[in-house]
Amino acid sequence: NAGVTQTPKFQVLKTGQSMTLQCAQDMNHNSMYWYRQDPGMGLRLIYYSASEGTTDKGEVPNGYNVSRLNKREFSLRLESAAPSQTSVYFCASNSLPGRIAEAFFGQGTRLTVV
Amino acid sequence: DQQVKQNSPSLSVQEGRISILNCDYTNSMFDYFLWYKKYPAEGPTFLISISSIKDKNEDGRFTVFLNKSAKHLSLHIVPSQPGDSAVYFCAAGGSNYKLTFGKGTLLTVNP
Repeated sequence: NAGVTQTPKFQVLKTGQSMTLQCAQDMNHNSMYWYRQDPGMGLRLIYYSASEGTTDKGEVPNGYNVSRLNKREFSLRLESAAPSQTSVYFCASNSLPGRIAEAFFGQGTRLTVV
Repeated sequence: DQQVKQNSPSLSVQEGRISILNCDYTNSMFDYFLWYKKYPAEGPTFLISISSIKDKNEDGRFTVFLNKSAKHLSLHIVPSQPGDSAVYFCAAGGSNYKLTFGKGTLLTVNP
């Protein structure tokens, strides 16, 4: 019963470095999401993938890219990290529309950019 | 433009009493609403939901009320327990299945 698995759990980057956050779900969900959580800002959507092969920008996409590798995996890439990207990142997934589509979240990746 | 608003950053209640967390939304296209609970260093976990065709949904100690005309929903926890201390997020979704979250309310239940 893994649900949504994110790696790594913690990461420290220097400004300008790149990295990829990995996410995988084993619930056969079609839709996957990347959120960031900052103090006082709640959960803000970065990118989402409605289904395999599609991706769309969310509320705060600048500085990020995503890849929906297959139905299970959705990665988030920071090409040139900036201190403003210091945050906790959550991956989530949910099922088809047409009913209440509760999202299941991973444990989060705490990223610090120095 | 914040479509889902939780205007109270924090709430403190005594154990055994009722906790009421509030949420307002602006987008009439939302047709279902959810509450998530989040402990430190963990991901949010789903708590309870309500469809826009209902005005109340109950699950044990947790009840969500929806007032569509006021674009307002609330989460009632009765009785509150110290283990309920967490950040609670209100979220809303529509036909595009994407969830929009509020900023969260930190609930502290004092023994």
